[in-house]
Amino acid sequence: QTVVTQEPSLTVSPGGTVTLTCASSTGAVTSGYFPNWFQQKPGQAPRALIYSTTNKHSWTPARFSGSLLGGKAALTLSGVQPEDEAEYYCLLYSGGAQPWVFGGGTKLTVL
Amino acid sequence: EVQLVESGGGLVKPGGSLRLSCAASGFIFSTYNMNWVRQAPGKGLEWVSSISGSGSDKYYADSLKGRITISRDNAKRALYLQMNSLRAEDTAVYYCARVLGCRTGSCYGLDVWGQGTTVTVSS
Repeated sequence: QTVVTQEPSLTVSPGGTVTLTCASSTGAVTSGYFPNWFQQKPGQAPRALIYSTTNKHSWTPARFSGSLLGGKAALTLSGVQPEDEAEYYCLLYSGGAQPWVFGGGTKLTVL
Repeated sequence: EVQLVESGGGLVKPGGSLRLSCAASGFIFSTYNMNWVRQAPGKGLEWVSSISGSGSDKYYADSLKGRITISRDNAKRALYLQMNSLRAEDTAVYYCARVLGCRTGSCYGLDVWGQGTTVTVSS
């Protein structure tokens, strides 16, 4: 069973830039895993931000971007806003009998 | 407006059963694969199950296999999750989520999520 690992927590100052990463226990994350990123605030359902590594949904703010970085999927927030404080989850697709695996989440604090 | 609305959650005793429902609107339901995802209190997201648009292909997380059945009724635009032999560790918010798209065996991600329905397993 694939294990997907994210930083447990990160802190960033308002207006700053932060990069969250998503690693797979099976090796390098490639575009073939179609990495997705989701934002979840307390008491709310997850909201999709990025799909297929770099693609934004129509509602995704421009300050969010996805990429591959050093064998991991990455989510970069540029010009962080206070409202970006949330939990962020990555999701990898690997097909097969267990096609989807979530990362454990990163709690982003804006301070 | 594209919308997913879950229902059917509640308090159930260990060993009991529940059937969760997800009502879809605002899109051609039969053309989309669908997923169930759950979140235990204070924990992260966990993929539970997937079903193809036609309902012919179904996938289950190992942790739940044998105790759950995913199904859909495209005429009613509804997704279901039958859960049996429930355990305390199944206590969670259960979300339905739309699969953005799939092609040649690969799927691109999840886009639309419902607000979730809470399942509590306790005596």
